[in-house]
Amino acid sequence: QKEVEQNSGPLSVPEGAIASLNCTYSDRGSQSFFWYRQYSGKSPELIMFIYSNGDKEDGRFTAQLNKASQYVSLLIRDSQPSDSATYLCAVLTGGGNKLTFGTGTQLKVEL
Amino acid sequence: EAEVAQSPRYKITEKSQAVAFWCDPISGHATLYWYRQILGQGPELLVQFQDESVVDDSQLPKDRFSAERLKGVDSTLKIQPAELGDSAMYLCASSLIFGTPSYEQYFGPGTRLTVT
Repeated sequence: QKEVEQNSGPLSVPEGAIASLNCTYSDRGSQSFFWYRQYSGKSPELIMFIYSNGDKEDGRFTAQLNKASQYVSLLIRDSQPSDSATYLCAVLTGGGNKLTFGTGTQLKVEL
Repeated sequence: EAEVAQSPRYKITEKSQAVAFWCDPISGHATLYWYRQILGQGPELLVQFQDESVVDDSQLPKDRFSAERLKGVDSTLKIQPAELGDSAMYLCASSLIFGTPSYEQYFGPGTRLTVT
């Protein structure tokens, strides 16, 4: 079982719709969770982090964490073509010393 | 805005040759990371430094890869000899602290390595 799992996609949504990206993790002791956006050929850019159960909102982005079910999700409201990218889920593992990434979900926002 | 600097941005080398990458973290960031990202995969940690000390190099192929951060500031990652399977994006990241809930890593632009 991979430490951090994501559906590779692509996930296609129409412009203006809500995009929902999901991630599961295996280390029950994980404390912090991160979402990075990566455009093709570019480096990852941090969007949000979350470490408490529940929702955390930042503009059009909402991160959701459920530690009991070991999943974290990212919702993007009013999706724009500029949101088209790969979204990487990362989990702080190894006692809080190591960031482990999933393989990423490719999001395509269509006009 | 402070950024992580990396050079070169692109490197093409023949297999069996030596190659080196350089990284300058954000000023004041004590923790520095080198990742390798193969196309279609997430970044994989190669080595992590806290100041000049190695914290984690468990995934570094030590027979051919080496990394140093002599003065606890900038860092160099070397591959000798390069193999075809080393073709990837090499990413450097830095963070102010690690091991806390608010830990954030900032990535440099990366070095795209192609081994022919």
